[in-house]
Amino acid sequence: RKEVEQDPGPFNVPEGATVAFNCTYSNSASQSFFWYRQDCRKEPKLLMSVYSSGNEDGRFTAQLNRASQYISLLIRDSKLSDSATYLCVVTKNGNAGKSTFGDGTTLTVKP
Amino acid sequence: NAGVTQTPKFRILKIGQSMTLQCAQDMNHNYMYWYRQDPGMGLKLIYYSVGAGITDKGEVPNGYNVSRSTTEDFPLRLELAAPSQTSVYFCASSALSGDGYTFGSGTRLTVV
Repeated sequence: RKEVEQDPGPFNVPEGATVAFNCTYSNSASQSFFWYRQDCRKEPKLLMSVYSSGNEDGRFTAQLNRASQYISLLIRDSKLSDSATYLCVVTKNGNAGKSTFGDGTTLTVKP
Repeated sequence: NAGVTQTPKFRILKIGQSMTLQCAQDMNHNYMYWYRQDPGMGLKLIYYSVGAGITDKGEVPNGYNVSRSTTEDFPLRLELAAPSQTSVYFCASSALSGDGYTFGSGTRLTVV
């Protein structure tokens, strides 16, 4: 079993739709959680950190459920520019900051 | 503010050749990492460093070596290149353990 698992998609949604991505992790010692965005042939860029209390940044909401070892990302009012691959990432604190990356979920937003 | 700079952006190597991928950051970050990303896959950790003079192996270190003589620079050395090392290589840094990363723009390597 992979340490971080994501639904690879692809997710094809119309503009304005709401879309949710899910991610599960297997190591209960994981402490820090992130969503990154990766455009085609580009480097990953940090989208947002994920906290148990949930956090929101504009149209993006991230949630963490430690009991179920589950992370989610919700995108509301999708834009064409949201088309990208979204990477779920977990890190064990005190582990030299080494992060484990999921394989990514691909989103295509269509007009 | 350059962030993390990787060179070269592209390279084609013949089997058995060697090369060094350069990575430099100007954010005074202690933590630096090298990942490789194969098509359609997630990133896999090759080597990492928690500060100048300290390096350690990640998940897939075979065929690679690193050094960290300064806080700023973290070069990755490929010895005896093999087709299995065809990949995109990303260098990343973070200020603290558990922080999110800042990535370089990557080096796209093909071994033929």
